[in-house]
Formats: sequence, C-alpha cells, structure tokens
Amino acid sequence: AQSVTQLGSHVSVSEGALVLLRCNYSSSVPPYLFWYVQYPNQGLQLLLKYTSAATLVKGINGFEAEFKKSETSFHLTKPSAHMSDAAEYFCAVRRAGGYQKVTFGTGTKLQVIP
Amino acid sequence: KAGVTQTPRYLIKTRGQQVTLSCSPISGHRSVSWYQQTPGQGLQFLFEYFSETQRNKGNFPGRFSGRQFSNSRSEMNVSTLELGDSALYLCASSSVERDNEQFFGPGTRLTVL
Repeated sequence: AQSVTQLGSHVSVSEGALVLLRCNYSSSVPPYLFWYVQYPNQGLQLLLKYTSAATLVKGINGFEAEFKKSETSFHLTKPSAHMSDAAEYFCAVRRAGGYQKVTFGTGTKLQVIP
Repeated sequence: KAGVTQTPRYLIKTRGQQVTLSCSPISGHRSVSWYQQTPGQGLQFLFEYFSETQRNKGNFPGRFSGRQFSNSRSEMNVSTLELGDSALYLCASSSVERDNEQFFGPGTRLTVL
C-alpha cells in the first residue's frame, strides 16, 4: 500500500519569503514521487519528479524538492515566493517499476501575501 | 505535441440525467486515468485505461463507467446523476517511457442541479 500526507491544507507566506510545503509518503517499496500545481479552474501541472536518481530535484518556476528516505519526506521549497505562486499544490506517490497507480495527497493551498 | 484535451469544459445537468465526458490524450500515450475533484474529498481516482482495457478502478459506484477507444481517446459516463456528482473531472494521460508521469487536461466542470 502507498499513501501521501501533506501537512497543512493552507499555507500563507509573504512575497519574497521561503516557501516550504510538506509531504510525507508511505510506500513498501522504493517510490517515485511527484509535485503538481493547480491554478484555479485548471488541470494539474507537473512541477518536478523524483525517480531514484538525484535526491535533490529541481523543477520549474524555481521549485525544488529533496527526497529523504530516512524521514520518508519529499518537501517542496522555493527560496523566494512570488505572487504568481499562489495555487494549490499536490504531492503524489507511486511505486517504482512497471505500471503502478498514482496516489495523490489532499493538497495544500498556498497564499502569497504582498 | 498538443496537450490533453477534454470536452466539454463546462456542463450543467439535472438529477437523474446521464452525462458523457471525453478525453483525448497526448499523441502516443496509451494510458488514460480519470479523477474526480471536489472541495471536500480532494482528488479521487476513478479508473485507468490502457490499450482499451480497464487496468485499475477506484471506489466509485457502478453509475460511473468508462471506456477507451483504439486511438486511445477515452470517455467516462455517469448515469442517474446525483447532486453529489458535481465536481471537476480530470483526465490524465501517461506513457511508460516517461515513468508514467501524468499529464492532465483542463478538466470538465460538471454541475448537477
């Protein structure tokens, strides 16, 4: 079985401040991990993915995430928040190897305060 | 490459009616997954098709069904609509070559009155 827990359904940061969105996963085998972003009335867009290569993954729009096996975490960070980062973010997990179903977290809404 | 397209984008139906939503995946992608997104339940997996076969199914009643055609286009059908079926329905396509990374369409917003 696999699952994802996103801590904090709402996060507020000031423009220019560090963005930290938390994601912890549970998987009985090595996972692939993903972060998606969703803007209002749109589908999800992939920000970055971890597929067992480098543990520090860089994505689009200045976001990055670090895979920490010992902590079963895959937190998303961005050094400086921009107003355009306001959106909902989803962490997702699937087991590595062949076809496996993707499981999504419940999402974190990021508010950026000017 | 063109992205995932979904039609229609918006739909209003009344209780008891049925509805069919369409999804065209990215060219070359053989897997199509469907999700229901609501404020209360978040993203919930409906089903996934690969090469015209349903490969996985979520915990939804039998009123929700789907199919995939030989060109990988997929449709999902909801019969006997209920108020609680109001949601954003998202389709995602993926390919094994890209680690099953899912590419999402813009969704169909279904409102049941």
